[in-house]
Formats: sequence, structure tokens, C-alpha cells
Amino acid sequence: SYDLTQPLSMSVALGQTARITCGGNNIGNKHLHWYQQKPGQAPVLVIFRDTNRPSGIPERFSGSNSANTATLTISRAQAGDEADYYCQVWDSGTWVFGGGTKLTVL
Amino acid sequence: QVQLVQSGPEVKKPGSSVKVSCKAFGGTFSSHAISWVRQAPGQGLEWMGGVIPIYGKSTYAQRFQGRVTITADESTSTAYMELSSLRSEDTAIYFCARDINWFDIWGQGTVVTVAS
Repeated sequence: SYDLTQPLSMSVALGQTARITCGGNNIGNKHLHWYQQKPGQAPVLVIFRDTNRPSGIPERFSGSNSANTATLTISRAQAGDEADYYCQVWDSGTWVFGGGTKLTVL
Repeated sequence: QVQLVQSGPEVKKPGSSVKVSCKAFGGTFSSHAISWVRQAPGQGLEWMGGVIPIYGKSTYAQRFQGRVTITADESTSTAYMELSSLRSEDTAIYFCARDINWFDIWGQGTVVTVAS
């Protein structure tokens, strides 16, 4: 089965840039999606197909995907960005999620 | 804009089954897949399987094969996830999501508690 590896947690200072990684074998050859989940809420799509933002998602959120690492970048981090973030790919007939990264905004 | 509304919380005994519903309001239902994702307490997201209503075709994650059944009723724009032989480890929040090659719309989640 295909594995996606994310750091368990990370922190970012208010107003600074957070970069959350998602590692996988040749992940750059797959379409990668990112979700934000706040406590007690359903996940929300923040990036689809590597680099695309759904309507309503701030431009501060951006994505990249190359080789063995995909990255979700959150610029000018705000307190409201504090959440769990999950990456996702489709592989061999199955949706696979990364383990999730808890982002703390200091 | 499509909204997915799920059924209410459930408390089940070990060994029993649970059936959770996911009704679509405000848009087309049949042409997009509906996936089911669960989240155990304090854990991450886990895909269980999905259905394409217009075809009635379901696919399942290997670890749930034989224990989960995902169906859809086009006439009521409702998808269902039934999980059998419940055990305590199935205690989780179960989400449905519209799958358009990514999950753009999610239901609010249904808490299923398995306890004797």
C-alpha cells in the first residue's frame, strides 16, 4: 500500500510562513490534495490537484508537488490557521491520507 | 451549492451493525461519487470506500472489505454506509464527502459509539 508521511506537529509564529510537507514515493507523479480540519469540525478542502485553491480559500494558502515531496505553504499565518492538515492521493484504486500535521500558531 | 447532511449519532453494541445516511441538498447527486471517511478519537482520516450513484457501483478499502456496504438511492439523493460486526475500535466519527477527484464537500459527521 502507498504511504504518505507528514510531520506530527509543527509551529509557526503569527505572521510568518508555515510549510507542511507530505512525503511519498514519486508523489510528484500523483495529484495531491490538502484538507484543513479544526477541532469538532469536518475537514475543508484547501488545495486540490497540487496547486489549486477552491473558491473562498485565501491566497495565503498555496501548494507544490515534486519528486517525493508535496508542500502546503501558509503565508502570513493567522491564529485561525491553527488546525490539523491532511494530504491525500489516489493510488491503486484507493484514497490514501497522510497521518496529519497539527499546526500551532504562536 | 450542494450540502451533505448526515444522520444523527448512534450507540451500538459490539457485534451489531450501524447504517449511516448522507443526504444531498441543493444540487446534482447522481453524477458524482460519494466517499465515506472515518476518524477514530484523536486519530487521522481513513477512507472506507465510495459509491457512484448513477452506476450503483461501490468500491471499498481493503481493510473494510466484507464488513462495509456503501449504497446510494438516486430517488432520495441519499448515500448510505453500513458497517457490520461492530467492535469497540469502530467508535469514530463517520463523514461522507462528495468525491469529484478530490473531496470538495463534506457532511457534518456522524458519531458512532460501540459499547457494551
